[in-house]
Amino acid sequence: TQLLEQSPQFLSIQEGENLTVYCNSSSVFSSLQWYRQEPGEGPVLLVTVVTGGEVKKLKRLTFQFGDARKDSSLHITAAQPGDTGLYLCAGAPGANSKLTFGKGITLSVRP
Amino acid sequence: EAGVTQFPSHSVIEKGQTVTLRCDPISGHDNLYWYRRVMGKEIKFLLHFVKESKQDESGMPNNRFLAERTGGTYSTLKVQPAELEDSGVYFCASSQRGTLGNTIYFGEGSWLTVV
Repeated sequence: TQLLEQSPQFLSIQEGENLTVYCNSSSVFSSLQWYRQEPGEGPVLLVTVVTGGEVKKLKRLTFQFGDARKDSSLHITAAQPGDTGLYLCAGAPGANSKLTFGKGITLSVRP
Repeated sequence: EAGVTQFPSHSVIEKGQTVTLRCDPISGHDNLYWYRRVMGKEIKFLLHFVKESKQDESGMPNNRFLAERTGGTYSTLKVQPAELEDSGVYFCASSQRGTLGNTIYFGEGSWLTVV
């Protein structure tokens, strides 16, 4: 069974701070996705990474896929209250296979 | 463009009763997925349709769960009879093609509480 461990589980920071959160596994994934979910809504895809070592940027968010395609990180620069939410990582072992999700990281950015 | 819509948004039923959840995927999306999040746990895969065919149903918990996708359009997920451990949020998602490199769009979820 492939597992994705996300850390930290909860994070509360002040507006303007930088943060990095992690998604780790002992298994190799062909692709890894990051989602953000807000209360009462479904997960919304932020990014997909497919190549080991790949770095993708989405405004103030930087995503990195580990060289061995077993882990990923999300770095947020100058966090804003609008970044508050649940951040989920999800991996797919194959090209057209089911997603394995982590439990998520609850981020709260205080004004 | 309408997103993935799910109905009902919330349902409270008694143990032993039947509940049917409905999902309308984005128009033109051949791939339809059901996922579930039980309290305190991660979102877990239930099954995957490609058009009207079940591509992968390895995540279905047991034979109390029945999923259908009539004519390759909307899908239903029936739980009969419901048990307490079935409580959770049931998410439907759709995509044009498979997982890799394609955006999967999730619905807002159907919250099921079995009492």
